[in-house]
Parts: sequence; structure tokens; C-alpha cells
Amino acid sequence: DSGVTQTPKHLITATGQRVTLRCSPRSGDLSVYWYQQSLDQGLQFLIQYYNGEERAKGNILERFSAQQFPDLHSELNLSSLELGDSALYFCASSVQGHDRDQYFGPGTRLTVL
Amino acid sequence: EDKVVQSPLSLVVHEGDTVTLNCSYEVTNFRSLLWYKQEKKAPTFLFMLTSSGIEKKSGRLSSILDKKELFSILNITATQTGDSAIYLCAFYNTDKLIFGTGTRLQVFP
Repeated sequence: DSGVTQTPKHLITATGQRVTLRCSPRSGDLSVYWYQQSLDQGLQFLIQYYNGEERAKGNILERFSAQQFPDLHSELNLSSLELGDSALYFCASSVQGHDRDQYFGPGTRLTVL
Repeated sequence: EDKVVQSPLSLVVHEGDTVTLNCSYEVTNFRSLLWYKQEKKAPTFLFMLTSSGIEKKSGRLSSILDKKELFSILNITATQTGDSAIYLCAFYNTDKLIFGTGTRLQVFP
């Protein structure tokens, strides 16, 4: 158990819908990272927040957004869902913003029908 | 474009064998390289390497980085069925962790 929690564990929804994935980092970690893992693309970095502010952006679609709240938990919002958005979404946390080992949560499996 | 290439894509061995997993990278702003093990759930951290030529070791696993030739290797000796997993290599480019597609290792008794 890494200490990073993610909810829900599994989410099934229809195309065009909107979902919110939630992540609580390890106690004391200020940075939260979001990743998407699909079968054909491997683990892709989406976005990073550090102490409430966006720090780095990866291959995140405009239909996706995220935020980190004052209590350091983070939410990833996915809207206008498409079939291709079906994937495992991982959240990871680390103590500082970079050059630190990241600890991954158990992931949320999103299935878009 | 920054990229990480892992080889082989897949590896099948018997228990007790030694395996070497390769990771080569091209990056504009290298900071550190990390290895993760992913079983049927989240990746778990194995090693972080920042200096060339210094071996990191944890039990039967060890890893080394060559910053001149831009690669890293992960060695697993005396493999066990519990080593079966996908092994991911990643590097930090400034604040982004960029992953390779992984090597799938299957260890049979």
C-alpha cells in the first residue's frame, strides 16, 4: 500500500458524459501527478500539481482538467467522454516537485461505452 | 522529441534464471532515471538513478546508469515467479516523468 488513495476504483459511463476522479496523496506529499495508461499507449503523463498550483502539463486533452485543493487532494475531470478515453487513470504523489520517487495509487479504471 | 525505449518487449524465463532489462533514452534535459515494477495494479518504485556508473542494489535486483551512452539496465538474478510483472523505465525531464512502454517479464517454475 503506497498511501495514495484513489476513488472510484472502477467507473463505467457512456460517451458524451462527464466524470470526476479523486486522489488523496500520501501524508506530507505536496505534489500530485495524473497519468493515463491505455493498452496501446503505455503510461502517459497528464498533469502535475504542486501545493495547489499547476506545475507541469503533459499530453492532457482540452476536455480534461484537474485541480488540487487546499487539503492537497486532487480531482481529474474528464468531459465529453469518448470511447478512446477508456483507460486506467493513476494518481501519484511525491514530497517535492521533481527528482523524487513517485508513489502511485491503485488507479481508477474508466470504461466508456 | 524525448523518448524512452525499453527492450526486450517481452521475456519468458524459468525460475533461477538471470535477466537483464534494457532502457535507452533520448532526452533534452535529463535529471534522473527511475525503474518501476507493475503487477496487476499500480507501479511500485524500485530505483532512482542520477549518477553514471553507480550501481543501485536491492536484494536480487540491481540497476546501473550510463549517462554517456544514454542507457540503463535492470538486472534480476535468481528470478522467482513473483518477479513476473511489467518493468517500466522512466526519466525526469524537468518536472515530467516520461515512461517507456515497459518490458513484460514472465517467470515460470
